Amino acid sequence: DVKVTQSSRYLVKRTGEKVFLECVQDMDHENMFWYRQDPGLGLRLIYFSYDVKMKEKGDIPEGYSVSREKKERFSLILESASTNQTSMYLCASSTPSTAEAFFGQGTRLTVV
Amino acid sequence: RKEVEQDPGPFNVPEGATVAFNCTYSNSASQSFFWYRQDCRKEPKLLMSVYSSGNEDGRFTAQLNRASQYISLLIRDSKLSDSATYLCVVNEMDSSYKLIFGSGTRLLVRP
Repeated sequence: DVKVTQSSRYLVKRTGEKVFLECVQDMDHENMFWYRQDPGLGLRLIYFSYDVKMKEKGDIPEGYSVSREKKERFSLILESASTNQTSMYLCASSTPSTAEAFFGQGTRLTVV
Repeated sequence: RKEVEQDPGPFNVPEGATVAFNCTYSNSASQSFFWYRQDCRKEPKLLMSVYSSGNEDGRFTAQLNRASQYISLLIRDSKLSDSATYLCVVNEMDSSYKLIFGSGTRLLVRP
């Protein structure tokens, strides 16, 4: 079974902190994604990566950056956390051949 | 205009009912289409892909209308366990493989 693992299920951080969300997949997938999910807004793409060290902005990249130094790991960084970044963050991976996305269990981040 | 639009619902139906969801997409160059299911407080999971000729998986039927740019999902003989949010997903396969999610349609199946 494909496994996508996010480092934390729940996080509470203070405004202004630098926050790292880690995601690891074990199926050698080329593509990895970070989404946030908010009530009424659905899943919105923050960043995605289609290869090591390659990244592209999604629909809402402001306030975020990403790092992909190894194929299996894709990190989301909140440079200076703000309360409007309180959300559920979902990582996903996929292969170009199928485009089916496999999701991690999500990280519920609260910024206070 | 959102790239992928869905009626948020909720659709509240009795067990055994047939229910249909529609989804429209704005990018005519979209290549692949999917329905995902998301249970409360869980991650989304692939329910089924949507093929041009239409496809069926048990009680679930998916159809694609490229000319009108909409996708549908039909659920027959609804079960209590079908209660979930159904997400329409479009893949824009240009130089990358970007998945665009609709905001989901919530289904509640009552006894």
